[in-house]
Amino acid sequence: ELVLTQSPGTLSLSPGERATLSCRASQSVSSTFVAWYQQKPGQTPRLLIFGASSGAPGISDRFSGSGSETDFTLTISSLEPDDSGVYYCQHYGSSARTFGQGTRVEI
Amino acid sequence: QVQLVQSWAEVKKPGASVKISCQASGYTFINYDIHWVRQAPGQGLEWMAVINPSGGSTTYAQKFQGRISVTRDPSTSIVYMELRGLTSEDTAVYYCARDGTIFGVLMAMDVWGKGTTVTVSS
Repeated sequence: ELVLTQSPGTLSLSPGERATLSCRASQSVSSTFVAWYQQKPGQTPRLLIFGASSGAPGISDRFSGSGSETDFTLTISSLEPDDSGVYYCQHYGSSARTFGQGTRVEI
Repeated sequence: QVQLVQSWAEVKKPGASVKISCQASGYTFINYDIHWVRQAPGQGLEWMAVINPSGGSTTYAQKFQGRISVTRDPSTSIVYMELRGLTSEDTAVYYCARDGTIFGVLMAMDVWGKGTTVTVSS
């Protein structure tokens, strides 16, 4: 069973700083099927990145993704106060989907 | 516009069942798989199930096998999720979400319903 482990649990940064969020898979996965979501308090999740590095339509280019095999990264280049929330990675390479436990970003 | 509209909040007693609906609009219903994801209070996202609206085939998370059923009605573009044998641990917000594509490439869950709160309490 695939497990995705995200770190850190919480990231506290200031506006304008760069955020680096990690997602580690328990086994090698295809980068074609790694996604990142943002969930703001009280809101539904929103797709940010798919295919490990492709921005979803309408998503700011401040959000970028990278990685391969077992290690994937979401980078927010210049934090804005509205970026606060929880970020989840996901593998979607099979019908059964797996989410990481989330990283909380506090600005 | 593309949207998924979910049914209203439910309150159920332990041992009961709940059936939630998710109505799709703004796109061709049978062309995109629909997932169910839940989120317990203060917790993360948990994938539960997926249905192919075209043929009706389903895949369920092992954790829910035997007490979950996901069905669809193509005539109304509605997907239903029924969860049986409810306990307090099933108290959560239940989301439906569409598997999107862009230029033929699968792009994970691009459209989400607003969620249906299910509260299980005696």
